[in-house]
Amino acid sequence: DVKVTQSSRYLVKRTGEKVFLECVQDMDHENMFWYRQDPGLGLRLIYFSYDVKMKEKGDIPEGYSVSREKKERFSLILESASTNQTSMYLCASSHRGSGANVLTFGAGSRLTVL
Amino acid sequence: AQSVTQPDIHITVSEGASLELRCNYSYGATPYLFWYVQSPGQGLQLLLKYFSGDTLVQGIKGFEAEFKRSQSSFNLRKPSVHWSDAAEYFCAVGPKSAGNKLTFGGGTRVLVKP
Repeated sequence: DVKVTQSSRYLVKRTGEKVFLECVQDMDHENMFWYRQDPGLGLRLIYFSYDVKMKEKGDIPEGYSVSREKKERFSLILESASTNQTSMYLCASSHRGSGANVLTFGAGSRLTVL
Repeated sequence: AQSVTQPDIHITVSEGASLELRCNYSYGATPYLFWYVQSPGQGLQLLLKYFSGDTLVQGIKGFEAEFKRSQSSFNLRKPSVHWSDAAEYFCAVGPKSAGNKLTFGGGTRVLVKP
């Protein structure tokens, strides 16, 4: 069974802390994404990556950075967490090419910043 | 800019009754269209997708959706709802190019009454 695994389901951090959210996929997908999910706003794209060591900004990149050192792993970094970053974070991946728009999602990481 | 509107934030339906979830989109060209479902505590799962061809598409779990170009709509339907269909449903649009930047609607939460 194909999987996108997000290592932390629930995190509680303090304002100003550095936060790492890890995502690993075992499907050999080229594309990986980080979305943020908030009630009534749906999913908003933070960053995405089409290949190792490459990244592109999504719609709401401010306050976030990403790292993709290996094909299977895509990390989201909050350099200095703030309370307005309290949210559910969803990682997704997809193949390049004809199936490129079909995303497989992880179960999500719920982050609370106090 | 592309956008997706799901007018209904919450819908309550009795088990066995029919269900229709509305989705309207704004896009510069004919997009790829998707419906995803999120069960409590889970990531998003693809229900169905429309790329081209027959405008009535069948998905998993007995769901179907109809693409109406003239109305810029992609409504999701199920003839008879089961208690396990209680979840949040997201409509999404994306480009026909190789890019994967899906835009999601705000979601519709479905409650199923016994």
